[in-house]
Amino acid sequence: DQQVKQNSPSLSVQEGRISILNCDYTNSMFDYFLWYKKYPAEGPTFLISISSIKDKNEDGRFTVFLNKSAKHLSLHIVPSQPGDSAVYFCAAIKNSGAGSYQLTFGKGTKLSVIP
Amino acid sequence: DTGVSQDPRHKITKRGQNVTFRCDPISEHNRLYWYRQTLGQGPEFLTYFQNEAQLEKSRLLSDRFSAERPKGSFSTLEIQRTEQGDSAMYLCASSRAGGTGELFFGEGSRLTVL
Repeated sequence: DQQVKQNSPSLSVQEGRISILNCDYTNSMFDYFLWYKKYPAEGPTFLISISSIKDKNEDGRFTVFLNKSAKHLSLHIVPSQPGDSAVYFCAAIKNSGAGSYQLTFGKGTKLSVIP
Repeated sequence: DTGVSQDPRHKITKRGQNVTFRCDPISEHNRLYWYRQTLGQGPEFLTYFQNEAQLEKSRLLSDRFSAERPKGSFSTLEIQRTEQGDSAMYLCASSRAGGTGELFFGEGSRLTVL
């Protein structure tokens, strides 16, 4: 069963507009969440993360929002740029304080930013 | 910082053959991970090393799979008696101790079993 779900396989957005990528999780033991970006023929690269004790984390054009009660997080990209076109993976860690970084990934959302 | 490197990038083999993948992590990282990614899925955790000790193994890692990190530096992942279901991208990642879950991934080794 998918413990981390990204229900939108793809998303198209105009350059300069906001991109919103969504992620839902089912396991309440997850306490740390990350977003990774992946270009074709490359490995995933870390983008931004958030601890379960926070509800928002911002880094430049990227903001991650966490709604624990709804078990939902979202990644906002503002403004979107053509170079943001990639597959975005949501990932979660259980018991992050234990030191094991066994990430559980969603299936990914392919973002296309149209010039 | 040369990044995580993996070799070979692509391996085509016949069913029943053995294959071995190598991963060289970022030099100052003492944690090393193997993940597997199949088409349309996100990466799935296989195993994790801290230095030379293999601390966690997923139930996905059947007894045909073995991973080693003999000197706490590079790691190898061997698959014996390959099956068509083993066809996937095998991703290696590394991280520092005490970090916040940020893994640095290599470009992956794609396995095709005919």
